[in-house]
Amino acid sequence: AQTVTQSQPEMSVQEAETVTLSCTYDTSESNYYLFWYKQPPSRQMILVIRQEAYKQQNATENRFSVNFQKAAKSFSLKISDSQLGDTAMYFCAFMKHPQGGSEKLVFGKGTKLTVNP
Amino acid sequence: DTAVSQTPKYLVTQMGNDKSIKCEQNLGHDTMYWYKQDSKKFLKIMFSYNNKELIINETVPNRFSPKSPDKAHLNLHINSLELGDSAVYFCASSYARSPYSTNEKLFFGSGTQLSVL
Repeated sequence: AQTVTQSQPEMSVQEAETVTLSCTYDTSESNYYLFWYKQPPSRQMILVIRQEAYKQQNATENRFSVNFQKAAKSFSLKISDSQLGDTAMYFCAFMKHPQGGSEKLVFGKGTKLTVNP
Repeated sequence: DTAVSQTPKYLVTQMGNDKSIKCEQNLGHDTMYWYKQDSKKFLKIMFSYNNKELIINETVPNRFSPKSPDKAHLNLHINSLELGDSAVYFCASSYARSPYSTNEKLFFGSGTQLSVL
């Protein structure tokens, strides 16, 4: 069974600075997807960034980028130029590549990020 | 237009009652899910359906019964509600399951906060 570990329950950062959220996972699969989801106080689950395991290049989405280390099974999220609106719970998630069947997202326990003015 | 919509957003009820949560997606996806987020913010899958067929059924009490009248709808009915059922329930959908899919990601509804008194 796959597991996802987020070792930082809470983090804080000053506005405009950079912060990195950690995520490690355990799997015997070779083909899979990794995700970071953001959940602001509004409760909506918002996809921040997505990485396919077969791609060596790290995914980037504007101020958000990942450091994907497949051998180390590590998938950290870097947020540059932090904004007040980045304050939220951040969830790391894993999904096996579907092989003819729908696959579930396995979530970490989340990191609560607070951006301070 | 909301891509994945679920109703109601809030549901407060007494122990022992039966209640339903409805979910609809207008994305043309084939697969729909129910996830439960507990009081500690931990997200875990409950069910998934593909084209009205049950695919994933995690260890969930029989009091929970999903129903999919068509591939755009997945409703969750809960019988004999218990205090421990209090949580936020998220509906989600994703692209058709396919071994060739390279664009797997889930779109979430805004959640239903269920409070059992």
